[in-house]
Amino acid sequence: EPEVTQTPSHQVTQMGQEVILRCVPISNHLYFYWYRQILGQKVEFLVSFYNNEISEKSEIFDDQFSVERPDGSNFTLKIRSTKLEDSAMYFCASRTGGTEKAFFGQGTRLTVV
Amino acid sequence: GENVEQHPSTLSVQEGDSAVIKCTYSDSASNYFPWYKQELGKRPQLIIDIRSNVGEKKDQRIAVTLNKTAKHFSLHITETQPEDSAVYFCAAALPRGSYIPTFGRGTSLIVHP
Repeated sequence: EPEVTQTPSHQVTQMGQEVILRCVPISNHLYFYWYRQILGQKVEFLVSFYNNEISEKSEIFDDQFSVERPDGSNFTLKIRSTKLEDSAMYFCASRTGGTEKAFFGQGTRLTVV
Repeated sequence: GENVEQHPSTLSVQEGDSAVIKCTYSDSASNYFPWYKQELGKRPQLIIDIRSNVGEKKDQRIAVTLNKTAKHFSLHITETQPEDSAVYFCAAALPRGSYIPTFGRGTSLIVHP
């Protein structure tokens, strides 16, 4: 069964550095999402992406964040000038256009030190 | 925006017992309600979902009920097994554009053998 895959599984970065989290959505999916989950807290929506542009974003998704679909398969989340509070599990998800069902990747644990 | 409340935060049951997890949502326009199961260190997996035109849906040992008037929905697991132990997240999505699920805080279900 096709799955959403994310790399790396764990990323440690120094405060102030930039990180890029990578996702490969399921191949025929059209909608892509990034969520984050701070330890012990709820899964929070960051951004959705459709037709090569951001369709919706939350208050969390400020100028520090950006997303890109550089080719036909990858979907990336860039976090600039990382802060300690950016430490979280980041999940990518995708879905087709014909259903509401969203499928999640296994997550990237980002640790900012 | 949508707000989803979920309780209890922790639920401990004996193997064979039933488990019920309850969620409420704030926006009466939400019409899609998925439930995800997240085992330790793994991705959230969609286990069942319900749309607002249906009051109940069942899949083997799991069932979900929806009360649109009261804006609450519940997950019922019967004959629980140790492998049901996980964190369960409810979510609600509005019927617009990206169908972004808004998640509850999660319920940690522990099934004791």
